[in-house]
Amino acid sequence: DSGVTQTPKHLITATGQRVTLRCSPRSGDLSVYWYQQSLDQGLQFLIQYYNGEERAKGNILERFSAQQFPDLHSELNLSSLELGDSALYFCASSVASGQGADGQETQYFGPGTRLLVL
Amino acid sequence: DAKTTQPNSMESNEEEPVHLPCNHSTISGTDYIHWYRQLPSQGPEYVIHGLTSNVNNRMASLAIAEDRKSSTLILHRATLRDAAVYYCILRDVLWGSQGNLIFGKGTKLSVKP
Repeated sequence: DSGVTQTPKHLITATGQRVTLRCSPRSGDLSVYWYQQSLDQGLQFLIQYYNGEERAKGNILERFSAQQFPDLHSELNLSSLELGDSALYFCASSVASGQGADGQETQYFGPGTRLLVL
Repeated sequence: DAKTTQPNSMESNEEEPVHLPCNHSTISGTDYIHWYRQLPSQGPEYVIHGLTSNVNNRMASLAIAEDRKSSTLILHRATLRDAAVYYCILRDVLWGSQGNLIFGKGTKLSVKP
């Protein structure tokens, strides 16, 4: 158990819909990262938040957005869903800010949310 | 971040040692070498990391070549539970670099009973 929790575990929805994925980081971790894992693209970084502020962006679509709340949990919002958005979505947390100050930073991953868009 | 090259797949027998190679010929002096693994239907989990010297922990050992252009993750006695995809990832310490992990395709390790 990594200490990172994600809900829901599974989500089935239709094209055009909007969903929200939730992540609670490990106690004490200030950084939250979101990753998408699909069969053809592998694990791809989407976005990072540190202590409530967006810190880095990766291959995140404009239809996707995220935020980190004062209690440090994070939500990933996916809208206007397409079939191709079906994937596993992982959240990871770490203590460090990810500003490159610590190359030894370890990230702890949650169990993921499996999204199926029909 | 510099790129890494790993074999697509490897096979091992249970209770035998496994050596998982990783090439990173363009590694910079500030890059740490990290290994993560992803068990079936789970999120990735940290295994080990190092900079220049060999490292040991309860999960594995990491052997780093003297020129740092390659490294090897060593599982001393493979168990069925070690069947996973293993990712070798470089992370640098330079100010301003992003903190996200860049995953390649990794090595899928199969363990036979």
